[in-house]
Amino acid sequence: EAQVTQNPRYLITVTGKKLTVTCSQNMNHEYMSWYRQDPGLGLRQIYYSMNVEVTDKGDVPEGYKVSRKEKRNFPLILESPSPNQTSLYFCASSLGGLTYEQYFGPGTRLTVT
Amino acid sequence: AQSVAQPEDQVNVAEGNPLTVKCTYSVSGNPYLFWYVQYPNRGLQFLLKYITGDNLVKGSYGFEAEFNKSQTSFHLKKPSALVSDSALYFCAVRAHGSSNTGKLIFGQGTTLQVKP
Repeated sequence: EAQVTQNPRYLITVTGKKLTVTCSQNMNHEYMSWYRQDPGLGLRQIYYSMNVEVTDKGDVPEGYKVSRKEKRNFPLILESPSPNQTSLYFCASSLGGLTYEQYFGPGTRLTVT
Repeated sequence: AQSVAQPEDQVNVAEGNPLTVKCTYSVSGNPYLFWYVQYPNRGLQFLLKYITGDNLVKGSYGFEAEFNKSQTSFHLKKPSALVSDSALYFCAVRAHGSSNTGKLIFGQGTTLQVKP
């Protein structure tokens, strides 16, 4: 089944403790992206990747890191999480850039205390 | 600054009636426009897109949207609403410029409530 998977689905952590949210797709998509969803703000793009080893900032990249060493994986790294990064995070992928529809993962709900 | 606005937080409509969810945008150049839907506790699902060509775009589940360049709008429509259409709807636009080919800007979302 074609899908985007994210792990973990739920995470409660403390301020400053490094964490990684994994994202993997099995559709051989070139484009991948991370978003955060907050009430009243819609989705805001954190980082995106047009292909392996090619990443770029979205609208809200501060406090996040990404890497794209393999086509299928696009992990989101929070080196020192803070409470304002408490949010619902979505990973998405598409065949090649934004002329194609994006497929979204199920989401990761992160709480930083 | 490039932006997307969904002026209504919530739209209420009776089942069987037509529905419209509004979206306006502000980007330089020709926009790529998208509608996505989010059902409770789920990720987003693609509904339709406008890249170029016919201003009326047809998408999944009977939805359609009309691109209006003069009004910078891309309203989502359906002739006859179903209770199962109740969800959160997002409009999105691709930012213009060769350095922004991967940047996507979302509106804040509109909750559609269809009552039986």
